[in-house]
Amino acid sequence: NAGVTQTPKFQVLKTGQSMTLQCAQDMNHNSMYWYRQDPGMGLRLIYYSASEGTTDKGEVPNGYNVSRLNKREFSLRLESAAPSQTSVYFCASGLRNEKLFFGSGTQLSVL
Amino acid sequence: GENVEQHPSTLSVQEGDSAVIKCTYSDSASNYFPWYKQELGKGPQLIIDIRSNVGEKKDQRIAVTLNKTAKHFSLHITETQPEDSAVYFCAASIGSSNTGKLIFGQGTTLQVKP
Repeated sequence: NAGVTQTPKFQVLKTGQSMTLQCAQDMNHNSMYWYRQDPGMGLRLIYYSASEGTTDKGEVPNGYNVSRLNKREFSLRLESAAPSQTSVYFCASGLRNEKLFFGSGTQLSVL
Repeated sequence: GENVEQHPSTLSVQEGDSAVIKCTYSDSASNYFPWYKQELGKGPQLIIDIRSNVGEKKDQRIAVTLNKTAKHFSLHITETQPEDSAVYFCAASIGSSNTGKLIFGQGTTLQVKP
């Protein structure tokens, strides 16, 4: 039982490059989330998916797109990376109004 | 918009002492308040949570209190141990939490000195 698995763990991009962060959960959760963590700012919600086939914006969605591929997988795409997107990205899954389970994070640097 | 303020940003205590972290929230409709612990290089993990119909909840050395009128909630750790050293985040549900969305505080780095 792996929980929430994120790939890759580390990534360095040049400004303007694109990439997709992958996330998969094996706990049969309906809801999945993408957060970014920046020093002194806590965790901020980028996008979430309440159930398979639905996605919605969070606090900081600009510059990102998401895909809820199926119940298990929720990917985050940066179409044209910017230095302001340098951050640690966390995927999470859970049941509504219950605990969230977080992955171990992806450390992204945009040069 | 909704906001959660967390204080202090850093906290250093001696092993065996108590630690208290405080949060305030802005959304009157929030009804779910979890606390997460994040160790270095790992994702946050839930340590305790409280719902708006309860004023206090305790789990061994950890307790959380909620004052809905004042929109305050606090984490209390007693008899602190070095392994309690981590970053702690409070969070509040956005609205009535039917979406499961949370807004997080800025985090508190707790250092427990042996």
